[in-house]
Amino acid sequence: SSELTQDPAVSVALGQTVRITCQGDSLRNYYASWYQQKPGQAPVLVIYDKNNRPSGIPDRFSGSSSGNTASLTITGAQAEDEADYYCKSRDSSGNHLVFGGGTKLTVL
Amino acid sequence: QVQLVQSGAEVKKPGASVKVSCKASRYAFISYDINWVRQATGQGLEWMGWMNPYSGNTGYAQKFQGRVTMTRNTSISTAYMELSSLRSEDTALYYCARASYTSSSESPNFDYWGQGTLVTVSS
Repeated sequence: SSELTQDPAVSVALGQTVRITCQGDSLRNYYASWYQQKPGQAPVLVIYDKNNRPSGIPDRFSGSSSGNTASLTITGAQAEDEADYYCKSRDSSGNHLVFGGGTKLTVL
Repeated sequence: QVQLVQSGAEVKKPGASVKVSCKASRYAFISYDINWVRQATGQGLEWMGWMNPYSGNTGYAQKFQGRVTMTRNTSISTAYMELSSLRSEDTALYYCARASYTSSSESPNFDYWGQGTLVTVSS
């Protein structure tokens, strides 16, 4: 089991807003980053250092954090956002990295 | 555009070792750590460890300590991940990823990934 916990699946209606969460004690001390992975493709960084977007990532993606929970919000979800999303941060020791179990996002 | 190109698929028998390569191009290879992440079919991402190409320093996830070795050849901008004593549970897609930091980073961000190398362990 991962030190970072994500809901296995979340769904959202086209054009609506969805929040994907990641919980873990280490998130009280370290930022999370978020990765999008579509079937048959390598993961893509979508949010880093809590709420920064790499070049080319749409501004409908945003990140936030409170206490032991990090969140990825997609405002106005599009069909192409349907994917698996993984959070990543340090583990409780701070010495190693860990991924959350992933959340499968379905856009209805 | 930064590229990480990995070696091709491998089929190994239980107990054997596998060495996967990751060739970097279009950036200064020694300036960014390389991390390795694996993903079993239908499963999530699992971090394996990191290597600093400049110093050769490494850090491995506890799960893989004693079985994994990460090395590099700076003359050809290539990183390697070798996993030994393979078992069926090691069947997975193995990715290399470049790690970047900003002034506010608290942990590395994986901004570029290789295409993945499928390692199948089967008798």
